[in-house]
Amino acid sequence: AQSVSQHNHHVILSEAASLELGCNYSYGGTVNLFWYVQYPGQHLQLLLKYFSGDPLVKGIKGFEAEFIKSKFSFNLRKPSVQWSDTAEYFCAVNAQNNDMRFGAGTRLTVKP
Amino acid sequence: KAGVTQTPRYLIKTRGQQVTLSCSPISGHRSVSWYQQTPGQGLQFLFEYFSETQRNKGNFPGRFSGRQFSNSRSEMNVSTLELGDSALYLCASSWSATDTQYFGPGTRLTVL
Repeated sequence: AQSVSQHNHHVILSEAASLELGCNYSYGGTVNLFWYVQYPGQHLQLLLKYFSGDPLVKGIKGFEAEFIKSKFSFNLRKPSVQWSDTAEYFCAVNAQNNDMRFGAGTRLTVKP
Repeated sequence: KAGVTQTPRYLIKTRGQQVTLSCSPISGHRSVSWYQQTPGQGLQFLFEYFSETQRNKGNFPGRFSGRQFSNSRSEMNVSTLELGDSALYLCASSWSATDTQYFGPGTRLTVL
């Protein structure tokens, strides 16, 4: 069965710092990859997704993620975080005709 | 277009009781997935329904069950509640199981 690992449980950054959140998955076939974000008190919402094509995908609010097939990774990045980026971030993987598997989440705290 | 709605938003039950949660997907979405979210565990996949058929099931005991109606609305039932069932139960809908999922606000279940 596929699994998703997010290595950072809690990340604390100051505003303007760069962000990289790791995500690795275990599945050898074709996958769809997602990053979801949950702001305090809000629903989970899609940040960005990768289905095929350019492995560097851009999402909302200046976030981007790079799919590296050889490393089974889909790391999330942002060059300069803001206080409003404080949230919990979830990586998710969906293999073809399979259920969606989420990582345990990474809580990001941005200090103003 | 209305988003995913879940009722009730909050529920308090005692051990041994049963509970039914409801989810109305976005109009036109035929896939509905359910997740259990707890601190530290992230989102645990419960099951996915498509056109009234359960297509995938996560690693939960048989006390957790669900169904989907012809209008794509879905219900989830938990029988013989245990303290460990206290969690936020999320419903997500999508065009298909491999596509972007849109999440509802969740039902916060507390078992006393």
